[in-house]
Amino acid sequence: AQSVAQPEDQVNVAEGNPLTVKCTYSVSGNPYLFWYVQYPNRGLQFLLKYITGDNLVKGSYGFEAEFNKSQTSFHLKKPSALVSDSALYFCAVRLNSGNTPLVFGKGTRLSVIA
Amino acid sequence: NAGVTQTPKFQVLKTGQSMTLQCAQDMNHNSMYWYRQDPGMGLRLIYYSASEGTTDKGEVPNGYNVSRLNKREFSLRLESAAPSQTSVYFCASSEQGALHYGYTFGSGTRLTVV
Repeated sequence: AQSVAQPEDQVNVAEGNPLTVKCTYSVSGNPYLFWYVQYPNRGLQFLLKYITGDNLVKGSYGFEAEFNKSQTSFHLKKPSALVSDSALYFCAVRLNSGNTPLVFGKGTRLSVIA
Repeated sequence: NAGVTQTPKFQVLKTGQSMTLQCAQDMNHNSMYWYRQDPGMGLRLIYYSASEGTTDKGEVPNGYNVSRLNKREFSLRLESAAPSQTSVYFCASSEQGALHYGYTFGSGTRLTVV
């Protein structure tokens, strides 16, 4: 079975500071990993993904994430936070074989304070 | 614009009433999904359709039925609505076999059952 844990319900960061949103996963095989962002009253938007290759992946809006196989983690990062980054962030995982649906974490609310 | 369209955007039902949530995608995707989003619970899969003509239960299927009407459309039906089904419902689609592409989401249906 696949599962995703986002250990922080809320992350607060000052504008201009680096931010990290944590994600750990559990799959019985090799994973595909995703980050999505949800702005108020909107659907989820794709941010970035890890498929294979370089452990550091870059995505939209200056976000990046680092895949760490030994720690089964896929933390989302950004060097300098913006107030407009305030949103709900979801980590998701699926196996890289078969056609199993994405499994989402519970989400982390990021609040960037000016 | 290409994407996933959900109707209605908002709905209030009385306990015991029935309704169907509609979802259509114009990206020629094979796979479609219904999720519900509840505070602190993240996104939970209700049903999915890996391809036209097939449907499968997800994590929380009780109280719901689905119909994959054709390749474009995937509807979710509540036969006898209950207050526990108050939630935001998201439809998503993806390309079957392209596991690394992730999902495209609709903007959601906010359902309140009183």
